[in-house]
Amino acid sequence: RKEVEQDPGPFNVPEGATVAFNCTYSNSASQSFFWYRQDCRKEPKLLMSVYSSGNEDGRFTAQLNRASQYISLLIRDSKLSDSATYLCVVNPGGGYSTLTFGKGTMLLVSP
Amino acid sequence: GAGVSQSPSNKVTEKGKDVELRCDPISGHTALYWYRQSLGQGLEFLIYFQGNSAPDKSGLPSDRFSAERTGGSVSTLTIQRTQQEDSAVYLCASSPMTASNSPLHFGNGTRL
Repeated sequence: RKEVEQDPGPFNVPEGATVAFNCTYSNSASQSFFWYRQDCRKEPKLLMSVYSSGNEDGRFTAQLNRASQYISLLIRDSKLSDSATYLCVVNPGGGYSTLTFGKGTMLLVSP
Repeated sequence: GAGVSQSPSNKVTEKGKDVELRCDPISGHTALYWYRQSLGQGLEFLIYFQGNSAPDKSGLPSDRFSAERTGGSVSTLTIQRTQQEDSAVYLCASSPMTASNSPLHFGNGTRL
């Protein structure tokens, strides 16, 4: 099993739709989790951290399920500008030296 | 304020030549990371600096790759005797600390 696994997509959705991505991780001792966003030919940027109790930032909701070892990202009321690749990032232990990035899920929002 | 700056933006070289990639992190950021991303692939960790020391070099793919950081600031990634498989985007990121929830700030990358 890969350390961090994501469905590469693409997910094609119309504007206004709700879309959700999952990401599974193999190390049950993983401590911290993040979603990054990467636009085409650009650098990754932090979208949000994922907290144990789940957290929301505007139209974005992140959830963590430790029992099943996955995190999710829900985007409500999709905008054209949400089109990007969403990277799941897992830190298996302390420090960033072992930060592991998934290959990303591509989202395409159409008019 | 200025973000992470990388140079050059693009580099075309010939097989067998050496290249140097530069990263100027955000001022005051003590942690600095190098990743590379091949076309259609995820980010591959290369090396991590805390100040000027590199506690984790585990990701360097071969002894042709080396990196240094001076003055707790600028870092240089050197690839000797480049090979075709070295072609990728080399991304540098910095962070104010190594706490597990401290976000990484990436530069625009060097496309090699």
